[in-house]
Formats: sequence, C-alpha cells, structure tokens
Amino acid sequence: GENVEQHPSTLSVQEGDSAVIKCTYSDSASNYFPWYKQELGKGPQLIIDIRSNVGEKKDQRIAVTLNKTAKHFSLHITETQPEDSAVYFCAASRKPASGTYKYIFGTGTRLKVLA
Amino acid sequence: DTAVSQTPKYLVTQMGNDKSIKCEQNLGHDTMYWYKQDSKKFLKIMFSYNNKELIINETVPNRFSPKSPDKAHLNLHINSLELGDSAVYFCASSQDRTARGYFGAGTRLSVL
Repeated sequence: GENVEQHPSTLSVQEGDSAVIKCTYSDSASNYFPWYKQELGKGPQLIIDIRSNVGEKKDQRIAVTLNKTAKHFSLHITETQPEDSAVYFCAASRKPASGTYKYIFGTGTRLKVLA
Repeated sequence: DTAVSQTPKYLVTQMGNDKSIKCEQNLGHDTMYWYKQDSKKFLKIMFSYNNKELIINETVPNRFSPKSPDKAHLNLHINSLELGDSAVYFCASSQDRTARGYFGAGTRLSVL
C-alpha cells in the first residue's frame, strides 16, 4: 500500500546550525508534497509545500527538494532557532480522477534546537 | 479569526459512551477531513468529505460516523467508545485547486 518513510525520528542541532529531514514515498503517482510543523498541544501547521513539476522551493530559512526519480523529498532548515523546535511531518498525496487529495503522512521528526 | 475550529478541545469520557466532536471552517474550502493522531504521533486519515459528499472512508469502525450538514461543517460522532479510541482527532480542510490542507487545533479524547 501507500507508504511514506521519514528519517530521522529525532534530531538535535545547535542553534544556528542546519537541520535536514528526509522522506521517501512509495506511490509514484504522488504529485503534491507538503511539510507540516506541529508544536506541543497544537495542530499541524503547513510550512512549505512542493509539487511534482518543481525540483526545489525556498521560503526564507526553509527549503524543500524533490527527486521524483528516487521518490525522495527533503526539508532543509538553515540558521535554526529555538522556536524551530517542534515535530515535523512530511506527506505525499495525489488526487484520483474522481476524488479528493489524500495525504499519506510520514511518522514525524522531533527537532530540538539547543540554545 | 480561526480558520478551522473544532470543539471541544478536551473530551474525557467513560467506555461505552457516545460523544461528538464538531468542526467548522471559514476558508470557503470544498473538502474537509478527519484525522486521528495516536500516542506515537502518527497521523492517519479517517474520512474526507467534498461538498457534503463522503469521498474517503478509510478502514474505520462503523462506530465512527461523520456528518456534513454543509460544506463548512464536518462533525464526528462516535458510538460505544472504547479505550483504543483515545487519541487526538484533527479536523482539516483544503481547496481542491491547491491541495493545501489546514488543520484545527485538535480534540484530545480520553476514554477511561
């Protein structure tokens, strides 16, 4: 069945360093890949997304890369700050001919930025 | 204004009871979802509705019954609650054109 693997499960970095989270998806028809940040006691918040016709997208300190051939996509956070500490989820999705987008989520990465 | 709002935020109840969670979105989106997040933080889709029509129904026990009175609301009713139903339930909505999903703050359900 459809599956998204996410690594690492936990990541600790020093403030100012970069953090990279990697995901691999199984459904080759997936064409939309969002990343979510979930802070304690809150709902997941969309932070960046990428579509299958693009290889890279950047928004300030956050960037996402997509390798469709290898079915890999990654989140890069540069100059990390303590407020970046949270659980990050990747997801892969596609929309069937008659239906709605269905997200398959990765298992999450707990990022801790040490001051 | 909160884009996707769900109530209650916390729900503590006894096994065997029936409970409901309500969700409303003011984003004008066509599609709404219910997700379950277990104790290991794993997020899994349960249902999706598009313009009040059920589109996705993952292998969820039929004790769970979603209801969408209009495209801005999607409620979740759970009958005969079991210990294993304890989790955080998230409502979300998205617009078909962009696929971007927006989540509510979650309802933490504890079944005792």
